Amino acid sequence: DGGITQSPKYLFRKEGQNVTLSCEQNLNHDAMYWYRQDPGQGLRLIYYSQIVNDFQKGDIAEGYSVSREKKESFPLTVTSAQKNPTAFYLCASSIEGIYEQYFGPGTRLTVT
Amino acid sequence: GIQVEQSPPDLILQEGANSTLRCNFSDSVNNLQWFHQNPWGQLINLFYIPSGTKQNGRLSATTVATERYSLLYISSSQTTDSGVYFCAVFSGYSTLTFGKGTMLLVSP
Repeated sequence: DGGITQSPKYLFRKEGQNVTLSCEQNLNHDAMYWYRQDPGQGLRLIYYSQIVNDFQKGDIAEGYSVSREKKESFPLTVTSAQKNPTAFYLCASSIEGIYEQYFGPGTRLTVT
Repeated sequence: GIQVEQSPPDLILQEGANSTLRCNFSDSVNNLQWFHQNPWGQLINLFYIPSGTKQNGRLSATTVATERYSLLYISSSQTTDSGVYFCAVFSGYSTLTFGKGTMLLVSP
C-alpha cells in the first residue's frame, strides 16, 4: 500500500531534549512538508522540501531543523530552542509544487 | 501573506440534515483543497478544486476563484461526518495556507 507513515504516534520528552520525528513516503513524491497543529487551530508550515538535499523554511521554522537525504524520508528535529514544542505534527507530500498534498497520521509530541 | 477565513467556526446538525461550509481567501490562489480531520487527527483529502464544481457522493464543492471563495456542501449528514473541515489554499510558491476550520458535530 502506498502512503505516508509517521512514527511514533505519541512521543513524550523532557524539556531541554532534542527529539526527531520520522516521516517516510512510498508515493514517489518529490515534495515533502512538515506542519504543526495546536488545539483549535489550523495547520502552520514549518519546513518544506521540493527535492533531495534542498529545503526551505516555512512560517514557523524557528527551533526546528530538517534534512532530506533521501527522496522517501524527511525527518524533523524539534530542538531545545523551540519554546512551545508540545503540539500535533503532521507530515505531507505531493508530486511537486502546487499539486495535491497528502498527509500522514501525525505525531503527538508532549514536552514537560 | 494570504488570509483564509472559514465559516461557521462550529456547526451542530441532526443526522440527515444538509449543510454548507464557506471558505473565503484574501488573494488570488493557484489551487485549493478541502480536508476532513477525523477524531484521531488524520487529515483526509476531500477535494482538490481550483475552480468549478466537483462531487463525491454526498459531498460536493464549488470554487469561484474570481470572487475568492469556496463552498463545501454536505447532504444527508451522518454521524461519521463529524470532525473538523479545513480549507487550504495554494498561493505563490508550493505551500498551503490553512483556515482555522469548521468543527462539525452530527448528532443521531
